[in-house]
Amino acid sequence: QITLKESGPTLVKPTQTLTLTCTFSGFSLSTSGVGVGWIRQPPGKALEWLALIYWDDDKRYSPSLKSRLTITKDTSKNQVVLTMTNMDPVDTATYFCAHMMVPTIAGYWGQGTLVTVSS
Amino acid sequence: QSALTQPASVSGSPGQSITFSCTATTSAVGVFSYVSWYQQHPGEAPKLMIYEVSNRPSGVSNRFSGSKSGYTASLTISGLQAEDEAVYYCSSYTNSGTPVVFGGGTKLTVL
Repeated sequence: QITLKESGPTLVKPTQTLTLTCTFSGFSLSTSGVGVGWIRQPPGKALEWLALIYWDDDKRYSPSLKSRLTITKDTSKNQVVLTMTNMDPVDTATYFCAHMMVPTIAGYWGQGTLVTVSS
Repeated sequence: QSALTQPASVSGSPGQSITFSCTATTSAVGVFSYVSWYQQHPGEAPKLMIYEVSNRPSGVSNRFSGSKSGYTASLTISGLQAEDEAVYYCSSYTNSGTPVVFGGGTKLTVL
């Protein structure tokens, strides 16, 4: 059974760096064809893909946010970490992580974590 | 503007069939073979309903089906049920700088 869970702060101040951790079980991020992606959703708005890391450590980022994002994996801990720098109130959103099969099929999602950016 | 265009809303009555469209506005989707559809109920995470245009994951009702014609993909729900009321997002792989794009979502109202 594949499960994923996001964790991190629920409130960050403008200009701060957000660090989110996706802890998963039921699969290995060393298995060929597997990836973990991050997707966010501002309140009442559509899904927005952020970043993706594959089993072979190939990393992809949303071009519009690339300068602010870093995605890493710790295969031994079954975790993927996303950092986003210089947070702004417009970054307020629910952040999801998802198990992905190549190329970009998000078959399993975490419950999401709401991050509010406010001073 | 999203690379995938979806109508904002559709509605239907129980028992009817309804079709959602998803039109690619960029050729970066290639032959548009990696289209996925997700269902999202309020306050929940999205759920994969269709992948690679027309494949259903295990456990998804066969009332859901997918197809495409050119650069427009479609999701059809047959025998509409109240529980189908949700927002439906299409997504596609692209060979541009961003490998994943989502449509703006279509809200389904079951009358």
